Amino acid sequence: QQPVQSPQAVILREGEDAVINCSSSKALYSVHWYRQKHGEAPVFLMILLKGGEQKGHEKISASFNEKKQQSSLYLTASQLSYSGTYFCGTGAGYTGGFKTIFGAGTRLFVKA
Amino acid sequence: GAGVSQSPRYKVAKRGQDVALRCDPISGHVSLFWYQQALGQGPEFLTYFQNEAQLDKSGLPSDRFFAERPEGSVSTLKIQRTQQEDSAVYLCASRDRGPNEKLFFGSGTQLSVL
Repeated sequence: QQPVQSPQAVILREGEDAVINCSSSKALYSVHWYRQKHGEAPVFLMILLKGGEQKGHEKISASFNEKKQQSSLYLTASQLSYSGTYFCGTGAGYTGGFKTIFGAGTRLFVKA
Repeated sequence: GAGVSQSPRYKVAKRGQDVALRCDPISGHVSLFWYQQALGQGPEFLTYFQNEAQLDKSGLPSDRFFAERPEGSVSTLKIQRTQQEDSAVYLCASRDRGPNEKLFFGSGTQLSVL
């Protein structure tokens, strides 16, 4: 089942902070975060593998609350280069395999 | 290769035509995925291969869609009798063996059915 992302879109001024949320009705085994710029391939940001785990990438960090079945992506002191669409992906495991299901995305626009 | 390579980059087809989209994953990557991305939407899972075995094809929209990976490396997604609703970007991604490894995406094939 597809994870739900919020908000759908965010407009920021350079230097402002933002939070993007990802929640699932099913138990989460892992959460991936990707960023996609217009016309380009999604690019991996980070993966969180267990509840409570937090990770960081430059000024972008994420947390994973296993009990609440949700993850949040934190962008601090945003830069123009942060503009793009952010997708969370949740891991779905089954016999013999493991696939990633993506949310609909959060569009982030950072202006000068 | 250095990254996941997809071809063609753009494909225009007349309704009813058959198309074949190619994906060349990162060398040695065991897992390969196909996703369909409609304009303004997230990637939607189509199918998944582990080596040459197609483990999951639950996301294929209809029996007009067919994917193969005969030698466990290059994969082809074939769409028969294309319809306008098939217009989308088709993304291929590969992953190393572990289920918690990141996905490497290709740039996609943008399919337009007229």
